[in-house]
Amino acid sequence: GDSVTQMEGPVTLSEEAFLTINCTYTATGYPSLFWYVQYPGEGLQLLLKATKADDKGSNKGFEATYRKETTSFHLEKGSVQVSDSAVYFCALGGSGGSNYKLTFGKGTLLTVNP
Amino acid sequence: GAVVSQHPSWVICKSGTSVKIECRSLDFQATTMFWYRQFPKQSLMLMATSNEGSKATYEQGVEKDKFLINHASLTLSTLTVTSAHPEDSSFYICSASADGQSGVVTQYFGPGTRLTVL
Repeated sequence: GDSVTQMEGPVTLSEEAFLTINCTYTATGYPSLFWYVQYPGEGLQLLLKATKADDKGSNKGFEATYRKETTSFHLEKGSVQVSDSAVYFCALGGSGGSNYKLTFGKGTLLTVNP
Repeated sequence: GAVVSQHPSWVICKSGTSVKIECRSLDFQATTMFWYRQFPKQSLMLMATSNEGSKATYEQGVEKDKFLINHASLTLSTLTVTSAHPEDSSFYICSASADGQSGVVTQYFGPGTRLTVL
């Protein structure tokens, strides 16, 4: 079945540091890929998405490129801020005709210190 | 756009009582709504998928008689936790899906409801 593997956290960075959170997936068909962010005590917010190979999703300085050859969707940001502290979830949108269900990674806690 | 609300944001109840949680899509019609449960410092666990006007589809291991889901309209779904017990205490999150371009479905999440059963 479909699965998502995210790098284990927690990740602690200083403000303005470069961020990479690795995400790889296993899926049949052609899934869509998503990054969601969850701030403390809140639900999930869609951060960015990509729907086909070589697509690049971007939002708020975050980027991720859908790499079919390496089955990866790594999240990057060039200069993190304290306000980026949150849990980040990589997710795969159902493939093989089931376009609705999301399969989530375990989440990566990011803490950015001033 | 694509805002999903949940009510209440938190609730405390006594063991044995029932609790209803509402999930609304505020600015779009949701063909499908999902209910998740999240334990502390863990990922989301899908409980059930519901489509307007039809019975919900529950994931394996989720008791459908305990977690009643009603999806009465394209903008409202409710989750009722019946005869709640302390082990049902959790963070419950709903999401609503909207069809996008090229048939890609994106889920938009509510802010979550913190349930504490005493």
